[in-house]
Amino acid sequence: QKEVEQNSGPLSVPEGAIASLNCTYSDRVSQSFFWYRQYSGKSPELIMSIYSNGDKEDGRFTAQLNKASQYVSLLIRDSQPSDSATYLCAPREAAGNKLTFGGGTRVLVKP
Amino acid sequence: NAGVTQTPKFQVLKTGQSMTLQCAQDMNHNSMYWYRQDPGMGLRLIYYSASEGTTDKGEVPNGYNVSRLNKREFSLRLESAAPSQTSVYFCASSEAGQNEQFFGPGTRLTVL
Repeated sequence: QKEVEQNSGPLSVPEGAIASLNCTYSDRVSQSFFWYRQYSGKSPELIMSIYSNGDKEDGRFTAQLNKASQYVSLLIRDSQPSDSATYLCAPREAAGNKLTFGGGTRVLVKP
Repeated sequence: NAGVTQTPKFQVLKTGQSMTLQCAQDMNHNSMYWYRQDPGMGLRLIYYSASEGTTDKGEVPNGYNVSRLNKREFSLRLESAAPSQTSVYFCASSEAGQNEQFFGPGTRLTVL
C-alpha cells in the first residue's frame, strides 16, 4: 500500500506570510509529484508539478523535492486570503498515469 | 469546452438501491478515472480506464462497477448501495503520457 502523508492542519498564516506545506511518500520509484488545490465544495485543480530534485518556482508558489528523503514540499509566498484552501500532494506511480493522493493540508490565511 | 461533466450533482439513496454516476469529457483524453473523497482521507482511486475499451481496479473497487462507454464517457455503477459508500465522487481525465488530471465538479452521494 503506497502511502502519502500530510499534516491535516489547519495551517493558519497571516496575510503576507509564507505558508509551508510538507508531504512524505512511501513509493521510492515515484518520479513525478503534483500539488493540487481544492477549495471547499469544489474539485481539485493542479497548481504545481515537479519532477527533479531541487526547487521549482511558479509565481508565488515554490515546490521542493528531495527524492532521497522521499519528501516534497510547497511554499506559498505572500499568502493571500484567496489561498485559503486544502492542498493535496500526489505522487505519480512510475508506470502509468495513476496518482496517489495524500489527505491534504488545510490552509487558512487570515487578513 | 465544458471539460469534465458529471451527473447528478447530488443524490440520496436508500441502502440496497442501485444507481449509475455519469461522467463525460470533451477534451479527447484517453484516460479517465473515478475517485471517492471522504473527510480527511484525500482522494482514493476506485477504477480507471487507461484507454477506450480497458478498465482496471484502483485502490477501493469493492461495491462498484464501471463502463467505458466510448472515449468520452466513463460511468460508475453502485449495484447495491451501502452507507459506507456515502462520499463525494469525482471523475477525472488526462491525456495518455501527460501528467495533469482534470476533475469534474463531483457528485455528492448520501446512502441512508
